Amino acid sequence: EDQVTQSPEALRLQEGESSSLNCSYTVSGLRGLFWYRQDPGKGPEFLFTLYSAGEEKEKERLKATLTKKESFLHITAPKPEDSATYLCAVQARSGNTPLVFGKGTRLSVIA
Amino acid sequence: EAGVAQSPRYKIIEKRQSVAFWCNPISGHATLYWYQQILGQGPKLLIQFQNNGVVDDSQLPKDRFSAERLKGVDSTLKIQPAKLEDSAVYLCASSPAETQYFGPGTRLLVL
Repeated sequence: EDQVTQSPEALRLQEGESSSLNCSYTVSGLRGLFWYRQDPGKGPEFLFTLYSAGEEKEKERLKATLTKKESFLHITAPKPEDSATYLCAVQARSGNTPLVFGKGTRLSVIA
Repeated sequence: EAGVAQSPRYKIIEKRQSVAFWCNPISGHATLYWYQQILGQGPKLLIQFQNNGVVDDSQLPKDRFSAERLKGVDSTLKIQPAKLEDSAVYLCASSPAETQYFGPGTRLLVL
């Protein structure tokens, strides 16, 4: 069974204090690993897709990396507007399979 | 480009009542998904449509949940009768290929 575990569950940072969120996964052949941001009362907003180990993608203060067992979302010099829940999901290679999500990491950035 | 539209945004009902949610996907997206997100959890797939055909409904509680996609565009999800444990956010997503784009969700509270 495909599984995604995210850690920590919650993270509180001072503005400018860089850190990383972890997503560990087990999947029967990875088709893609997805990162989403979810603000309170809203649907998930797509951030990145990673397809193979060693791949990296960046967007503003966010950088996502992928290994064969986990992905990291690095946040450099965060701002209060980066506060949100960050969700990780995997899609298996076989067939038209759904996304399997982790529970998310709730990030709070304090000014 | 308009995003995924959902209505209503909020719904409060008594247990054993019925409720229906509506979703209008992004124009041209062939695949449509309904997810259930319980507080503090990641989204869990309920049903996936490709055009107007069902691809995956293995997680849909078919004794009380039903869904249809009219003419391969709009979709409705129905719960009848509702239980207390159905209280959640119901998210609709659509995709042209791998990346899924989510609507704002419908927040359901069953009393």
